[in-house]
This record gives sequence, structure tokens and C-alpha cells, in this order.
Amino acid sequence: RKEVEQDPGPFNVPEGATVAFNCTYSNSASQSFFWYRQDCRKEPKLLMSVYSSGNEDGRFTAQLNRASQYISLLIRDSKLSDSATYLCVVTSGGSYIPTFGRGTSLIVHP
Amino acid sequence: EADIYQTPRYLVIGTGKKITLECSQTMGHDKMYWYQQDPGMELHLIHYSYGVNSTEKGDLSSESTVSRIRTEHFPLTLESARPSHTSQYLCASSVPGDPNEKLFFGSGTQLSVL
Repeated sequence: RKEVEQDPGPFNVPEGATVAFNCTYSNSASQSFFWYRQDCRKEPKLLMSVYSSGNEDGRFTAQLNRASQYISLLIRDSKLSDSATYLCVVTSGGSYIPTFGRGTSLIVHP
Repeated sequence: EADIYQTPRYLVIGTGKKITLECSQTMGHDKMYWYQQDPGMELHLIHYSYGVNSTEKGDLSSESTVSRIRTEHFPLTLESARPSHTSQYLCASSVPGDPNEKLFFGSGTQLSVL
């Protein structure tokens, strides 16, 4: 079983739609959780950290469920510019080495 | 914008050549990483460093080597390139000790070995 698993998609949605991605992780001792965004042939960039209480940044909401070992990302009112791959990242152990999921591809169409 | 730079951006080279991919950051970060990514696939950690004179192998076995003589510089070397090394190589840095540490990535080097 992979340490971090994501549905690769692609998720193909119209503008204005609400879309949700899930990510599961295998290490129950994982400590930190993030969503990164990666555009085609570009480097990943941090979208948001994920906190135990859940957190929101504009149209983006991230949640963590430690009991079930998954995190989620909700995007409301999708824009064309949201089209990208969304990477789930988990850090574990005292060294805080980040492990990346394969990413979920989102395509927002007019 | 992140102050982390990778050169070259693209490299096409023949089998058997020795290559060095450069990575430099001006943020004073102690922790640095090298990831390898194939199209549509996840990033795989191949090397990381906690600071000067520290180097560790990552999860993915790699024939490459790294060095960390200066805080700002973390080059990756392939002694004899092979077609199986064709991939994108991404360098990153972060501030250690912060559980919510953010990774800053360079723009990557796309390596093609013929």
C-alpha cells in the first residue's frame, strides 16, 4: 500500500462547480498535512496547510480526519484557472520528510 | 517568489556522460531535497540534506550522488547517464524543525538521456 494515495482523476467539471478531492495516508503517526498545486510542466507550489480543526482560504476548504486517516480539499465556484494537479503531502517521523501523493488532475471547462 | 534556482532548465545528453544538476537557494534554509518526477506520476524523494556536510538517501533508489559543502548549494551528479535516468528533477528547500514547514521548489531540470 502506498504511503499517500489519491484518485488520479481527471475530474472534469464546469465553471462554478464544487469539487472535492480525498487523500488517504497509511502512517497513523503522520504529523503534518498539506495540499500543493502543480501546473503542467511546472514545480509544485503550496496551496494550503491542513489543520486538525479544518481551515478555509477563500474558495478552498481543507479538512483532516485523523481517525480515518484521510484529508480532503473542497473547491467551491471553480474557475478555469483552477485547472491543475492537486498534490496531497504528508510528513511523518521526527525528520519531517514530506511524502507526495500522485496527485489528482482537475480540468475546469467553460 | 521562491529564491531557489536550478540549472540547466533542460538537458539533452548522450549515454555514458557525467552530468551535474545545479541547485542553489538564497533563503538560508538548512534542509534541501531532490525529487524525481515522471509525467503524471508522484514525486519520489531521491536525496535530502539537513545542512552542511549532511546527505541522506531518499525512498527511491538512485544512482545519483549529492554533496552539501555550502548551505546554499546542493548539486546532484550522475557519473554515467543512461536512458533510464530520463526524468524531471526537482530541487526543494525548507526550514527544519517547523512541523508546518513549507517546501520551496526550483523550476526543475528536465533531463533526457539518448
